[in-house]
Amino acid sequence: DGGITQSPKYLFRKEGQNVTLSCEQNLNHDAMYWYRQDPGQGLRLIYYSQIVNDFQKGDIAEGYSVSREKKESFPLTVTSAQKNPTAFYLCASSGRDTEAFFGQGTRLTVV
Amino acid sequence: EDQVTQSPEALRLQEGESSSLNCSYTVSGLRGLFWYRQDPGKGPEFLFTLYSAGEEKEKERLKATLTKKESFLHITAPKPEDSATYLCAVHGGSYIPTFGRGTSLIVHP
Repeated sequence: DGGITQSPKYLFRKEGQNVTLSCEQNLNHDAMYWYRQDPGQGLRLIYYSQIVNDFQKGDIAEGYSVSREKKESFPLTVTSAQKNPTAFYLCASSGRDTEAFFGQGTRLTVV
Repeated sequence: EDQVTQSPEALRLQEGESSSLNCSYTVSGLRGLFWYRQDPGKGPEFLFTLYSAGEEKEKERLKATLTKKESFLHITAPKPEDSATYLCAVHGGSYIPTFGRGTSLIVHP
């Protein structure tokens, strides 16, 4: 079945540590996105990529980094520079002007 | 800059009590308006796409409509299983979806 897979479902980060969230899709979509969702908030765009080897900052990119070396994969690294990383992270992909397909999310907690 | 405002933020209904959710938007060149449903702790799931004013889509107890400034998600005779957060998003000239904050719907039996 086609879809988008995020892993892990839960992730714990220690202070000063970098962590990487995985996102893989087999929908043959060019565009992929990373969103952050906090309680009572909507989806805030962190980074997006519309084509392999190219990506752009979203509204809240500080403290995050991404890569897009393959069409299927768009990993997100939460760096130690992100001072408030505890949140629910969602990855999505879409075709041009079509609906977005979302993964099931990764809940990141700082311990 | 594309903007999406959803209202109300939260809505409580009794089972069978019909109502509507609103999504107001400003966008430079609407390429599509999308409705999603999100259950707690999960990713949003796609419901409808609307492309032009006057367009309507239906699915079970849900009906989405679109004007040049807003979209409504009408819920007819809701059931407790319709409880979720409903998100609205627009695609404008940038091709990047812009989401509203969502409406949290609770339907009491």
